[in-house]
Amino acid sequence: DAGVTQSPTHLIKTRGQQVTLRCSPISGHKSVSWYQQVLGQGPQFIFQYYEKEERGRGNFPDRFSARQFPNYSSELNVNALLLGDSALYLCASSLAWPGKTSTDTQYFGPGTRLTVL
Amino acid sequence: GQQLNQSPQSMFIQEGEDVSMNCTSSSIFNTWLWYKQDPGEGPVLLIALYKAGELTSNGRLTAQFGITRKDSFLNISASIPSDVGIYFCAGRSTGNQFYFGTGTSLTVIP
Repeated sequence: DAGVTQSPTHLIKTRGQQVTLRCSPISGHKSVSWYQQVLGQGPQFIFQYYEKEERGRGNFPDRFSARQFPNYSSELNVNALLLGDSALYLCASSLAWPGKTSTDTQYFGPGTRLTVL
Repeated sequence: GQQLNQSPQSMFIQEGEDVSMNCTSSSIFNTWLWYKQDPGEGPVLLIALYKAGELTSNGRLTAQFGITRKDSFLNISASIPSDVGIYFCAGRSTGNQFYFGTGTSLTVIP
């Protein structure tokens, strides 16, 4: 079975531009979460979507937005890019919304490496 | 955002030695997870813990969910060169958000 897939794998943008990152969850998984991982740090939670609704939001500015589609895939959009947005953006999928089942865990994709120049 | 306190920050060990790392939080967590991340890749789930006091093994890896629900540890026995990487703990809070540790970088010397 295919795992979590993300596209593109690498992306180079300049300050002020906008970017869209894409994620396809594991088949059957209905929840997608987005994380930002700056070099040398652990992933930081950005958003979680379940059944196409936003269920959680981390401490990120409004320049960051996301959505989930009927097929449970998801997009993360970042507007007005800053140099500090350079990071590995990770998508994780889970079967359900964490908390709905006691054994739900998240599985990560390979990430999209975003470089802002 | 919140990050868990993970220690040690880095470890250099001889092949065959055992490894121990831990993670602490000021908040209670309902789930503890341990991941391994290789450079340029996403984290790979190693062990998941769901109940306070739970002790779970996965091959040479053993992890425990602390009784207070504010800590967890991961042990690796008889380390091998392919154990090299960065290990992260992660906890699911009562608010159903996941928080990650600061990572432990493991180097295994053959």
